[in-house]
Amino acid sequence: GAVVSQHPSWVICKSGTSVKIECRSLDFQATTMFWYRQFPKQSLMLMATSNEGSKATYEQGVEKDKFLINHASLTLSTLTVTSAHPEDSSFYICSARDPGRGNTGELFFGEGSRLTVL
Amino acid sequence: QKEVEQNSGPLSVPEGAIASLNCTYSDRGSQSFFWYRQYSGKSPELIMFIYSNGDKEDGRFTAQLNKASQYVSLLIRDSQPSDSATYLCAVNWEAGTALIFGKGTTLSVSS
Repeated sequence: GAVVSQHPSWVICKSGTSVKIECRSLDFQATTMFWYRQFPKQSLMLMATSNEGSKATYEQGVEKDKFLINHASLTLSTLTVTSAHPEDSSFYICSARDPGRGNTGELFFGEGSRLTVL
Repeated sequence: QKEVEQNSGPLSVPEGAIASLNCTYSDRGSQSFFWYRQYSGKSPELIMFIYSNGDKEDGRFTAQLNKASQYVSLLIRDSQPSDSATYLCAVNWEAGTALIFGKGTTLSVSS
């Protein structure tokens, strides 16, 4: 149980294009999902908190107009990197809590999406 | 600024030895503490979590928490080469919020 799935796993795009990454909770409903970014040899940095039916909350330094987050249903959140540039190349990982597992605080992670911008 | 600090390593231990990983955090009000393991190119997977002061054991893994010292550790007994990975310490400051991660400690277990 508590499976989070991301798609695509790998994406290569040209500079200036937009890329959409999907995050789905497969066997539970998630009113909140968290998007992280990880650069090589670095830790997971929280980008934003995605809230179902409302606007996402972005961390300081994360451009909300560049990283568009949509959480239209209880099982799907999407992250769109707009006008991507090489410096946006990173490993993007979504996560969520399963409310059915009690208030443990544990986050379940998607497989991650490796973005390479040429 | 809430921070989670870890020694980046690498920490090298021989097969069968005990590996000790350490983590400190900045906010005394922190509620819960997590250890995740991350293999290269993969997303993190939970090893265990701990809420209360003291030790918590799960198989070869033991988490230790000392809230007064704002310190949490992970011991891996009988280390195996398959334990070679990056170990991430994460802290939950407030219920419902995201986990804040340390930079991770790279563990290398040699056979």
